[in-house]
Amino acid sequence: DAKTTQPNSMESNEEEPVHLPCNHSTISGTDYIHWYRQLPSQGPEYVIHGLTSNVNNRMASLAIAEDRKSSTLILHRATLRDAAVYYCILREGNYGGSQGNLIFGKGTKLSVKP
Amino acid sequence: SQTIHQWPATLVQPVGSPLSLECTVEGTSNPNLYWYRQAAGRGLQLLFYSVGIGQISSEVPQNLSASRPQDRQFILSSKKLLLSDSGFYLCAWSIDTNQPQHFGDGTRLSIL
Repeated sequence: DAKTTQPNSMESNEEEPVHLPCNHSTISGTDYIHWYRQLPSQGPEYVIHGLTSNVNNRMASLAIAEDRKSSTLILHRATLRDAAVYYCILREGNYGGSQGNLIFGKGTKLSVKP
Repeated sequence: SQTIHQWPATLVQPVGSPLSLECTVEGTSNPNLYWYRQAAGRGLQLLFYSVGIGQISSEVPQNLSASRPQDRQFILSSKKLLLSDSGFYLCAWSIDTNQPQHFGDGTRLSIL
């Protein structure tokens, strides 16, 4: 499976935008880019996913580089409740033998300061 | 709407005792089901997944087993727990392999 690289930790101020980077230089043409986040002592929560085009939803935006070797999760206005570990995951989109399973790395721990 | 339930929320078991964790999903049919484990300070590791009743795939060799006796029920078991089985166990479901996975609140298992 293609791997992703994320910074171990990032800090942000409340109500400011946050840009969480992810590198995936070995991404294949059928891999979707998924983002999940995990708040302390909770299960992961789906945030957003995309293939080639930028995506927006009520939680965040996903900016995907033209060569797809990197992407950025954008939280437009960070709140204290956004403090979590954010995982960038590549997921097979062609029904490969792993059934499109999620491979979680260590993620980026985001701290939000009031 | 769909919901996922896991129980118990916390569990303390002695080494060598059996284990049974249950996960049920409501509001959908024929979901894909998953069991993950998260050891302290580490990322999530996929243990088992199931695409239908009685169909279980194991991702890593281990002391645990999984069963799916009903469409929306997924059970994680062990006959004899080891200290290394401690961790945070999470159940998840998805509509199919390309859709997002939705996680339960997890069971924190401590082995003494």
